[in-house]
Amino acid sequence: SAVISQKPSRDICQRGTSLTIQCQVDSQVTMMFWYRQQPGQSLTLIATANQGSEATYESGFVIDKFPISRPNLTFSTLTVSNLSPEDSSIYLCSVLGPGGAANEQFFGPGTRLTVL
Amino acid sequence: SQQGEEDPQALSIQEGENATMNCSYKTSINNLQWYRQNSGRGLVHLILIRSNEREKHSGRLRVTLDTSKKSSSLLITASRAADTASYFCATTRSGTYKYIFGTGTRLKVLA
Repeated sequence: SAVISQKPSRDICQRGTSLTIQCQVDSQVTMMFWYRQQPGQSLTLIATANQGSEATYESGFVIDKFPISRPNLTFSTLTVSNLSPEDSSIYLCSVLGPGGAANEQFFGPGTRLTVL
Repeated sequence: SQQGEEDPQALSIQEGENATMNCSYKTSINNLQWYRQNSGRGLVHLILIRSNEREKHSGRLRVTLDTSKKSSSLLITASRAADTASYFCATTRSGTYKYIFGTGTRLKVLA
């Protein structure tokens, strides 16, 4: 299994500002993902963080709003830009275990964002 | 939407009873996973069942998969107050690595 940490665990931000969330994995992984979980809702995939190239975004999510970095195989950041109250959510990073899609997906503890 | 659906949305039972949650999905899958989430924290992986498997056990958990009906169930036996959480299923479509999450079931176990 993989151990994943996220920073910060929570934050309260003002409208119009940005928040950068860090995700650190204790082993090298190929696939890293960022999810959003709006209050009382399920998880929605934002993007796949690709090492050495641009992230691959899902429908409804754009790079200008959610820029992602993946400088190496153990670390990624997600920035939520130009914050509005609608961005208040839990943001989670995840990785696939070894062996690709056939294996388990492990999640970080999440970052709870509140936008005032 | 490709999102799976779970039912019931909420379930309240007494400690010691069994809890059953169901998940339905829309496309052919590689595998299906069940997760637990306590109070808006990170997700804990419970069990993975592959598309060619029909049943799997892990401790007090029993998962079934019926690919003909595109559905899965999670049974928690002899529930405990600590099982109180939200439970989600997640599937990967054949040929992809992306997981699609179900709507979740909120389970409350009363002591």
